[in-house]
Amino acid sequence: QITLKESGPTLVKPTQTLTLTCTFSGFSLSTSGVGVGWIRQPPGKALEWLALIYWDDDQRYSPSVKSRLTITKDTSKNQVVLTMTNVDPVDTGTYYCAHRGVRGGVFDMWGQGTMVTVSS
Amino acid sequence: DIQMTQSPSSLSASVGDRVTITCRASQSISNYLNWYQQKPGKAPKLLIYLASNLQGGVPSRFSASGSGTDFTLTINRLQPEDFATYYCLQTYTTPYTFGQGTKLEIK
Repeated sequence: QITLKESGPTLVKPTQTLTLTCTFSGFSLSTSGVGVGWIRQPPGKALEWLALIYWDDDQRYSPSVKSRLTITKDTSKNQVVLTMTNVDPVDTGTYYCAHRGVRGGVFDMWGQGTMVTVSS
Repeated sequence: DIQMTQSPSSLSASVGDRVTITCRASQSISNYLNWYQQKPGKAPKLLIYLASNLQGGVPSRFSASGSGTDFTLTINRLQPEDFATYYCLQTYTTPYTFGQGTKLEIK
């Protein structure tokens, strides 16, 4: 059974760095084809894909935030970390991590999400 | 980037109705199109993967089709628990992109 859970601060000040951790179980991020992605959702708005890390450490980012994002994995701890620098109030929203399966690269299991507010 | 245009943005329907939601890609994405259902305060739930494949545990009243640039999600015999927001997501290439969502409301 695959599960994922996001953790991190609920409140961050503008210009600070946001660090979110996705802790997962039920799969290994060393298995070929597997990945973990991050998706966010501002309040009342649509989903936005942010980043993805593959089993082979290949990293992909959304161009709109690429310069501020870093995604890393710790296979031994079953964790993926997303770091976003220089946050702004527009970065406020719920952040989800999700398992990317081998089948079509689809995000088939999601964490419950963590709400992050950027405010001074 | 591939743009996903989803329509309608909102939809009112009654229990028992059949509804269709469409997603159009700005370029061909083969069949790398997935559909999600999201209820308020909850994470999205995968309904359909690779354009037409029903995810395990999803009721058979959900179906989908399409390839290339045009895709549809159909819900037959709407049930009360189907009223939610639906999103399409292309996973043909990064950056992955979502449609803007369709809010399905009770008439």
